[in-house]
Amino acid sequence: DTGVSQNPRHKITKRGQNVTFRCDPISEHNRLYWYRQTLGQGPEFLTYFQNEAQLEKSRLLSDRFSAERPKGSFSTLEIQRTEQGDSAMYLCASSPQPSGNTIYFGEGSWLTVV
Amino acid sequence: AQTVTQSQPEMSVQEAETVTLSCTYDTSENNYYLFWYKQPPSRQMILVIRQEAYKQQNATENRFSVNFQKAAKSFSLKISDSQLGDTAMYFCAFTALSSGNTPLVFGKGTRLSVIA
Repeated sequence: DTGVSQNPRHKITKRGQNVTFRCDPISEHNRLYWYRQTLGQGPEFLTYFQNEAQLEKSRLLSDRFSAERPKGSFSTLEIQRTEQGDSAMYLCASSPQPSGNTIYFGEGSWLTVV
Repeated sequence: AQTVTQSQPEMSVQEAETVTLSCTYDTSENNYYLFWYKQPPSRQMILVIRQEAYKQQNATENRFSVNFQKAAKSFSLKISDSQLGDTAMYFCAFTALSSGNTPLVFGKGTRLSVIA
């Protein structure tokens, strides 16, 4: 078990470009979460999946953001037409069912939009 | 909606001393879990301790313990015998059990510095 893996770890992009982050959860974890964290703040929930179904999306997830988990394993988070305000760390986490279990975080993907 | 409040943005403690980090939360739920997560500088977030709301006994994990006051909606973390490796951001988090677990809601964190 290698834990939750995220890549790339760091991404610098120009405003207006599209970026995609990938998350590989711990194997056999049904749930996968995406959070966003800015400096000095706690993580803010973006969206989560149970297997391949996207069950909830935060209002923070504007229409420029899209997340997928096509086969219920890895997930991608795409940001289109990036803005400077998108600069943040994007955290992925996973957890097994049943409810109440601990969620395990990856190391995060840092995005800087210049 | 649930909210989690950590009123201490920064704290410091001498090595080997004890420190308590505060957390309050607001919810109308009756069944939920509370967590403390640790995020060391440039490293991933890891679970420190968790508490089930239906349990009256406070959770303990080695040098870490909580003071869970359900009526007051308070959930503080006590770190005993502080070590330099405890230096990190500490986040309090909440999840309700309704609808099969709501996603974790985090506080803004407390930056803890352990001083030699």
